[in-house]
Amino acid sequence: DAKTTQPNSMESNEEEPVHLPCNHSTISGTDYIHWYRQLPSQGPEYVIHGLTSNVNNRMASLAIAEDRKSSTLILHRATLRDAAVYYCILRDRGATNKLIFGTGTLLAVQP
Amino acid sequence: DTAVSQTPKYLVTQMGNDKSIKCEQNLGHDTMYWYKQDSKKFLKIMFSYNNKELIINETVPNRFSPKSPDKAHLNLHINSLELGDSAVYFCASSQSGSIIREQYFGPGTRLTVT
Repeated sequence: DAKTTQPNSMESNEEEPVHLPCNHSTISGTDYIHWYRQLPSQGPEYVIHGLTSNVNNRMASLAIAEDRKSSTLILHRATLRDAAVYYCILRDRGATNKLIFGTGTLLAVQP
Repeated sequence: DTAVSQTPKYLVTQMGNDKSIKCEQNLGHDTMYWYKQDSKKFLKIMFSYNNKELIINETVPNRFSPKSPDKAHLNLHINSLELGDSAVYFCASSQSGSIIREQYFGPGTRLTVT
């Protein structure tokens, strides 16, 4: 599986948008970009995924660069509850269904 | 209703003991997983079962033996526990198919070996 690179940590203020970057320069044509997050003392939870086009759901938006070598998870209005570790994961449609987690980005949200 | 549940939530035991962790999902999924999160918070897949058949075994020691009595359950039995087995163990489930589907995780079982 191709690797991803994320900043170790980021900080945001409550009610402001947050842009969490992810670099995946070795992404292949069949790799989907998935985002999961892990709230403190909880299991990971799915956030969003995409292939080429930008995606929106109730939790977040995913902006994918035209060359697909990077993507950005956008939380439109951060809340204290969004403080978590955010993982950007590449998944090949043809591969087994396992998730390979990196170190992720620890997002701190200040009131 | 809890989608993926694990028991127990906490498990403290001594080296050399044998222990089991149970996992159940009520989502109707056909694939279940065990992940291990170590003290440095690194999450790694251990096993995956699809329709009660083992499909992923990530070079986990033989002391770890998963068992899937049916599609809704995946239990993890650990023999001769070692200090290095201390970690949080997460169960997850998903639905297989041609489209990659999200995985749903349980709340975790914190295992402490003394």
